[in-house]
Amino acid sequence: DVKVTQSSRYLVKRTGEKVFLECVQDMDHENMFWYRQDPGLGLRLIYFSYDVKMKEKGDIPEGYSVSREKKERFSLILESASTNQTSMYLCASSTHRDGSPLHFGNGTRLTVT
Amino acid sequence: DQQVKQNSPSLSVQEGRISILNCDYTNSMFDYFLWYKKYPAEGPTFLISISSIKDKNEDGRFTVFLNKSAKHLSLHIVPSQPGDSAVYFCAASTQGGSEKLVFGKGTKLTVNP
Repeated sequence: DVKVTQSSRYLVKRTGEKVFLECVQDMDHENMFWYRQDPGLGLRLIYFSYDVKMKEKGDIPEGYSVSREKKERFSLILESASTNQTSMYLCASSTHRDGSPLHFGNGTRLTVT
Repeated sequence: DQQVKQNSPSLSVQEGRISILNCDYTNSMFDYFLWYKKYPAEGPTFLISISSIKDKNEDGRFTVFLNKSAKHLSLHIVPSQPGDSAVYFCAASTQGGSEKLVFGKGTKLTVNP
């Protein structure tokens, strides 16, 4: 079974702090993703990566950056956290194969105060 | 512009009855559709998918129907069980790729014993 592990379940950070959210997958998947989930807005793609050191912006990249130095690890960085970045953050991975579903981690609930 | 719409934020059904969750899309280029289920405090899990070359796909109690002319798909759960209570997300992509999966906002299903 694919396992996508997010390092923290809950985080509380202060406005202006630099925040790192870490994600590791153990199935040698090429693609990795960061989504945020907000009530009434569903899942929105922040960034994705289709290979090591490669990244592409999703629908809402503003205020975020990512890093993928190793195939199994994909980090989401909030350079200067703001209260509107309080959200549930979900990491996912998939293969390049057509029709490959996303496998999600359990999420990180980030609160910025 | 919302390309994938789940117009019912919530649905309540009795145990043993049929649950029907609906999803509409606007982009005629979408050719692969997926349903994900999400329990609170967990990441979404893949449930069932359908390619645009089919109009029905069945997996146990879950069946997805696709009506391309109406740009509409639905998920049927028969019989519904209390453990099916979750948020269900519809998602769509072009060329079967997960890189640009577009999610609906979700429908919260409650199955009452």
